[in-house]
Amino acid sequence: QALLVQSGPEVKKPGASVTVSCKTSGYTFGSFDINWLRQATGQGPEWLGWMNPNNGHTGYAQKFQDRVTMTRDTSTRTFYLELSSLRSDDTAVYYCVLDKSWFDSWGQGTLVTVSS
Amino acid sequence: DIVLTQSPDSLAVSLGERATINCRSSQSVLHSANNKNYLAWYQQKPGQPPKLLIYWASTRESGVPDRFTGSGSGTDFTLTISTLQAEDVAVYYCQQYHTNPPTFGQGTRLDNK
Repeated sequence: QALLVQSGPEVKKPGASVTVSCKTSGYTFGSFDINWLRQATGQGPEWLGWMNPNNGHTGYAQKFQDRVTMTRDTSTRTFYLELSSLRSDDTAVYYCVLDKSWFDSWGQGTLVTVSS
Repeated sequence: DIVLTQSPDSLAVSLGERATINCRSSQSVLHSANNKNYLAWYQQKPGQPPKLLIYWASTRESGVPDRFTGSGSGTDFTLTISTLQAEDVAVYYCQQYHTNPPTFGQGTRLDNK
């Protein structure tokens, strides 16, 4: 059973950056890409991008191309999402998810609040 | 991007009755090479991440009760809950994985009448 454990909630000021981590276990590392999604209150999830855990290749949603960076530490099976130049509308719960085309294994979510 | 539009936005159904949620795609999500519809359904309860119910439009995820049924093809899809149970009160989302970026519908809130 795959387990994805994310870092705790964050409060940031506009213009700052945030990094969310996602530690994985319970499956063969490298078998699945990791995707990051976010969900603002009352809205459907929104896809930010993906990372191949084997070679570190990434693909980002066009909307976030200039502000998002995804990285990994293979020794600890941990993935990182960094989002820069934060705005108030970046306030959301951020999720890491295993990519099997559909999304069947999710982290518990990390609330990022952007407020002055 | 493919836009998924769910209807209704919310509905209230009595326990034991049928609930039907619709999802319309702005483009076909049927892949001609394998004749599969690249569409999934999720259930989300407050404070939890979405839970996968259905993939390939009609394949039930392991452990999902058989009162949940997915149907449809091309651009029009339906999630049916045959007999509503109290634990089915939640928000439901459809998602397409046919074309990058993957996209979700806006959600349908299902309540007990």
